[in-house]
Amino acid sequence: NAGVTQTPKFQVLKTGQSMTLQCAQDMNHNSMYWYRQDPGMGLRLIYYSASEGTTDKGEVPNGYNVSRLNKREFSLRLESAAPSQTSVYFCASGSGSWNEQFFGPGTRLTVL
Amino acid sequence: AQSVTQLDSQVPVFEEAPVELRCNYSSSVSVYLFWYVQYPNQGLQLLLKYLSGSTLVKGINGFEAEFNKSQTSFHLRKPSVHISDTAEYFCAVVYGQNFVFGPGTRLSVLP
Repeated sequence: NAGVTQTPKFQVLKTGQSMTLQCAQDMNHNSMYWYRQDPGMGLRLIYYSASEGTTDKGEVPNGYNVSRLNKREFSLRLESAAPSQTSVYFCASGSGSWNEQFFGPGTRLTVL
Repeated sequence: AQSVTQLDSQVPVFEEAPVELRCNYSSSVSVYLFWYVQYPNQGLQLLLKYLSGSTLVKGINGFEAEFNKSQTSFHLRKPSVHISDTAEYFCAVVYGQNFVFGPGTRLSVLP
């Protein structure tokens, strides 16, 4: 099993460009999550999906959109990238809110 | 808003010494508590979790944590650290549907 995979690993964008971060899991988990990690701030939840077909905002959703394409895949889209979105983005999946989350390797995004 | 506090942003410690990484959370209602570890340039891995039952929880790599409801704390301990324990450690608490992570503690084990 690959666990949680994310693409790309690294990305550099110019302000105003758009891109989609891809995430897939092969553990048959219902819940999937997108976080951003910034120095000194831990991980902050951007969006989550408790089950296929549902998505909800987390702590810092502004400037992002998500799609739960099917049970395996959960993508994060930046429509118009801003320098404040420079961060490391982690996707995670889990089988319930009280259960362990499994994390992908992360995407390091720089917006110039 | 619910919050998780990790009082120490950095903890340097010599190899084979004991270490305690502190975590406090804001809610006094029943919560689920986790510690995760992040090695350089990697995602997070679960060290241990408390859902219910015994307040002393043992995890991987010799780590353990004690849940103290009255002090709303969940401190992580290891009696003897190794160089390979150098990493960032995150405390997390489940509130409702979501995990809330602390800001992290960077543990540096010195030879």
